[in-house]
Amino acid sequence: GAGVSQSPSNKVTEKGKDVELRCDPISGHTALYWYRQRLGQGLEFLIYFQGNSAPDKSGLPSDRFSAERTGESVSTLTIQRTQQEDSAVYLCASSLMRGETQYFGPGTRLLVL
Amino acid sequence: QQQVKQSPQSLIVQKGGIPIINCAYENTAFDYFPWYQQFPGKGPALLIAIRPDVSEKKEGRFTISFNKSAKQFSLHIMDSQPGDSATYFCAASTGGGNKLTFGTGTQLKVEL
Repeated sequence: GAGVSQSPSNKVTEKGKDVELRCDPISGHTALYWYRQRLGQGLEFLIYFQGNSAPDKSGLPSDRFSAERTGESVSTLTIQRTQQEDSAVYLCASSLMRGETQYFGPGTRLLVL
Repeated sequence: QQQVKQSPQSLIVQKGGIPIINCAYENTAFDYFPWYQQFPGKGPALLIAIRPDVSEKKEGRFTISFNKSAKQFSLHIMDSQPGDSATYFCAASTGGGNKLTFGTGTQLKVEL
């Protein structure tokens, strides 16, 4: 079946605007992760969803960042009042369940002007 | 605090050479150590992974060596090919593959 998909693939926004990024996990995968990849850097964990359990939000850098997931389907990552330092590639991954291999989407490249 | 340190930042080898990428970790609770390969414009893809109960794992041309006492692990690519040119990330997690802590990446170029 299809892999993890993300939209949009690219997003340019102005400082101060809100953005919403979408992730469609692999069908049947109960775990979903968001990571951020700054230019030339490794990936930073942001948030993790597992089924209907409370999400692990320990990686969210500020209260401007939030994410939602309905059941075991689509997730959206919202960044409010974007800042230039939010410019990065935002990657989503899903796994069959917690502890299994994480499969990554192609990412959303966010540029905040 | 960077919990997984990766080196070198970049590496150039000739076709057929054996590039070696090293990672060191600090958190002794880590129990899962994957390597990811990333091509430009794509998301990372799992290459090979190891758990601390073994010292070495091979899958095809890729080998992970793991030294628990030194808190280090490395990736070796045998008979490297130009198609192996990519960025490689080591990672670590607790709980057998939960949220991953990544190294900063190694950009590998394999020349003809």
